[in-house]
Amino acid sequence: EAGVTQFPSHSVIEKGQTVTLRCDPISGHDNLYWYRRVMGKEIKFLLHFVKESKQDESGMPNNRFLAERTGGTYSTLKVQPAELEDSGVYFCASSQHPENTEAFFGQGTRLTVV
Amino acid sequence: AQKITQTQPGMFVQEKEAVTLDCTYDTSDPSYGLFWYKQPSSGEMIFLIYQGSYDQQNATEGRYSLNFQKARKSANLVISASQLGDSAMYFCAMGEFGTSYGKLTFGQGTILTVHP
Repeated sequence: EAGVTQFPSHSVIEKGQTVTLRCDPISGHDNLYWYRRVMGKEIKFLLHFVKESKQDESGMPNNRFLAERTGGTYSTLKVQPAELEDSGVYFCASSQHPENTEAFFGQGTRLTVV
Repeated sequence: AQKITQTQPGMFVQEKEAVTLDCTYDTSDPSYGLFWYKQPSSGEMIFLIYQGSYDQQNATEGRYSLNFQKARKSANLVISASQLGDSAMYFCAMGEFGTSYGKLTFGQGTILTVHP
């Protein structure tokens, strides 16, 4: 069974540009999460999808971040326009219903904004 | 609000010895879950072990065990018989019971280095 996969693994963009990160969850996992780890800080929750619906987006830092999960399969996280402080590692995770099962993480996308 | 504290930025252990990675937590939720994840240099986050707040016994998974002391609000990870492949970053995390356990609060992590 394929795990959670994220594309790209690395991205270097200039300030002001747009970047789109993609996450393919484990097949059949309704729950999909985005996290971010900024250098030297904790991994922080960004948002949670249940199928195609946003269940909780309390961790999204500002309106430059837009997450979508059309069709309830893969998800994208777009940063537009990117700022220097957006640099970090973006993780995606997925889990099954019912609740209270552990989440499986992807390898992360390292984003560097220069 | 939930908070996880890992006070050890780095730990060193000799191969084949046991090591304990510390984790304390704070929450007002009556029910919660505690998790440990391993992040090797390749970057992926690997689930290791889970402890529910109402579980009477400490969780064990192979060489991993979780020393859960509820009154002290600690959930230390014990790795027995360390191997070179255990060298990685280790994260302690907490999730609220009754929500999907993908919404986690993480500690800052501990880098474990296993020496031959």
